[in-house]
Amino acid sequence: ELKVEQNPLFLSMQEEKNYTIYCNYSTTSDRLYWYRQDPGKSLESLFVLLSNGAVKQEGRLMASLDTKARLSTLHITAAVHDLSATYFCAVGPGANSKLTFGKGITLSVRP
Amino acid sequence: NAGVTQTPKFQVLKTGQSMTLQCAQDMNHEYMSWYRQDPGMGLRLIHYSVGAGITDQGEVPNGYNVSRSTTEDFPLRLLSAAPSQTSVYFCASSSAGGGNTEAFFGQGTRLTVV
Repeated sequence: ELKVEQNPLFLSMQEEKNYTIYCNYSTTSDRLYWYRQDPGKSLESLFVLLSNGAVKQEGRLMASLDTKARLSTLHITAAVHDLSATYFCAVGPGANSKLTFGKGITLSVRP
Repeated sequence: NAGVTQTPKFQVLKTGQSMTLQCAQDMNHEYMSWYRQDPGMGLRLIHYSVGAGITDQGEVPNGYNVSRSTTEDFPLRLLSAAPSQTSVYFCASSSAGGGNTEAFFGQGTRLTVV
């Protein structure tokens, strides 16, 4: 059974500081996804990581994938309030109709 | 381009009632899925479909039925609602093509069973 673990589950961040959050998964998977969810809203796709060593960046967020360690990291550079949200990672067996999600990490950026 | 549309957005049911949550996508995606989101649990897969006429169970299928008669629509049926089915339900669709394919999510249906 595929398990996806995210940690920490809640992170209070200070503006302008850097942080890293983690996503571990239990079995080999073809691809890993990062999604963002604002309170009461739907999920917004951030990154799709397809292969070992894949790195993608968008603004202050950078995601990477280590398939050997079954680990993805999401690095936040110089946190700002707009990044406050819940971030989910999800893993799929190739067919992205069957995603297994982590429980999500809620980020809160304080001045 | 509407993307993935779910209706209704909110619903209150009494225990034992039945209802159908609607999901439609206009992107000609082969794959469609239903997830439920509960506090502290992330999203869990209920049922999914890889094409019209093909459906399969996910992690938490009990109490739910699905069918996929067209590429565009993937309704989720609750046959006899229970309080444990109080949740936020998300429908998603994605392309079967390889590479950088992601799942697109609807706006969600917030269901309360009393």
